[in-house]
Amino acid sequence: KAGVTQTPRYLIKTRGQQVTLSCSPISGHRSVSWYQQTPGQGLQFLFEYFSETQRNKGNFPGRFSGRQFSNSRSEMNVSTLELGDSALYLCASSTGTGTYEQYFGPGTRLTVT
Amino acid sequence: DAKTTQPTSMDCAEGRAANLPCNHSTISGNEYVYWYRQIHSQGPQYIIHGLKNNETNEMASLIITEDRKSSTLILPHATLRDTAVYYCIPLAYSGAGSYQLTFGKGTKLSVIP
Repeated sequence: KAGVTQTPRYLIKTRGQQVTLSCSPISGHRSVSWYQQTPGQGLQFLFEYFSETQRNKGNFPGRFSGRQFSNSRSEMNVSTLELGDSALYLCASSTGTGTYEQYFGPGTRLTVT
Repeated sequence: DAKTTQPTSMDCAEGRAANLPCNHSTISGNEYVYWYRQIHSQGPQYIIHGLKNNETNEMASLIITEDRKSSTLILPHATLRDTAVYYCIPLAYSGAGSYQLTFGKGTKLSVIP
């Protein structure tokens, strides 16, 4: 079974721009969660999508948004980029029901200059 | 959400058992304990989880104390590839069927040749 894929793997953007990251979950998984990892704050939960609906949200500003498509693929968008948005963005897929293990992708490394 | 306390770092000789402790004294009765690890520059990897009974899988064993206030992850024969940051995470139910992983700082395990 193919694992979680994220594209692009690396991205450099300028402050004020916006960016869209993509995540393809494991086949059959309906839940996609997004996390931000920085050296200072560690791994922080952004939001979770299940069956095209946002089911849970962390404490991030509205500049961070996401969506999920009918094939469970998910995108995350960050608008008006700030230097502090430089981070590794990870997505994780799971079945989304019961107590479930999350399987993480390799991440997208975003650098904002 | 339950708070966790883990050693900042630990060393283990290659081939020996690695025992990683976690204190979660405020865990609620229905919170599972999950363990993940993150090898440098990769996404976190699910290891094992449990509620109150000891659990074993192909990767590790999980020992949970009877009062559920602490647990120990055991890697029976550590290899150099087990060098990683290990996270102990009580799984918090966030409503509407959603669970949220809250990562702490984890334990940096170094396996020494």
